Amino acid sequence: GENVEQHPSTLSVQEGDSAVIKCTYSDSASNYFPWYKQELGKGPQLIIDIRSNVGEKKDQRIAVTLNKTAKHFSLHITETQPEDSAVYFCAASREGNNDMRFGAGTRLTVKP
Amino acid sequence: EPEVTQTPSHQVTQMGQEVILRCVPISNHLYFYWYRQILGQKVEFLVSFYNNEISEKSEIFDDQFSVERPDGSNFTLKIRSTKLEDSAMYFCASSVGQEGEQYFGPGTRLTVT
Repeated sequence: GENVEQHPSTLSVQEGDSAVIKCTYSDSASNYFPWYKQELGKGPQLIIDIRSNVGEKKDQRIAVTLNKTAKHFSLHITETQPEDSAVYFCAASREGNNDMRFGAGTRLTVKP
Repeated sequence: EPEVTQTPSHQVTQMGQEVILRCVPISNHLYFYWYRQILGQKVEFLVSFYNNEISEKSEIFDDQFSVERPDGSNFTLKIRSTKLEDSAMYFCASSVGQEGEQYFGPGTRLTVT
């Protein structure tokens, strides 16, 4: 089955800097890659997703890139703000398959 | 904005007891899911549910677990005889379609003593 690896496990950046979180997946049939933000005491919230028919997607300060050949995808947050501090999870699933596999999470801390 | 709700927020139970975790998915969503997250670990898929039946389940979802949609709004996860290792956050999620975005609830923290 699918295995998703996520790095780093913790990331600390200065406000205004960029943050990059990377994930790899094992199942070449996976074609949907969401990113979730989880704040303390809350459930994961979808922040951006990408499907395998595109290589990059951007939404304001957040972007995701996908390299299907290498089977990795990354989350990029620019101009980080303290409210970006949270745990971020990547995930992967296959079209028609609800079994979404999550990475282990990255705890991002943005220092003011 | 519509959201997934879950009750209770925290459930403490003794080993061997049955628990029922409740979820109210977003009203126009057709696919429902349960995930669990053991403290400090990954979010793990348990089961998906569509058209009043299980569409997929993981190896975690054994005979101790069951899901039900008893009425038009609630979606429940039952653990028949809880074990210590069932202690975790349990998240419910829902989506419009099979490939749609999944919206997560705030979770129920289950503590088995």
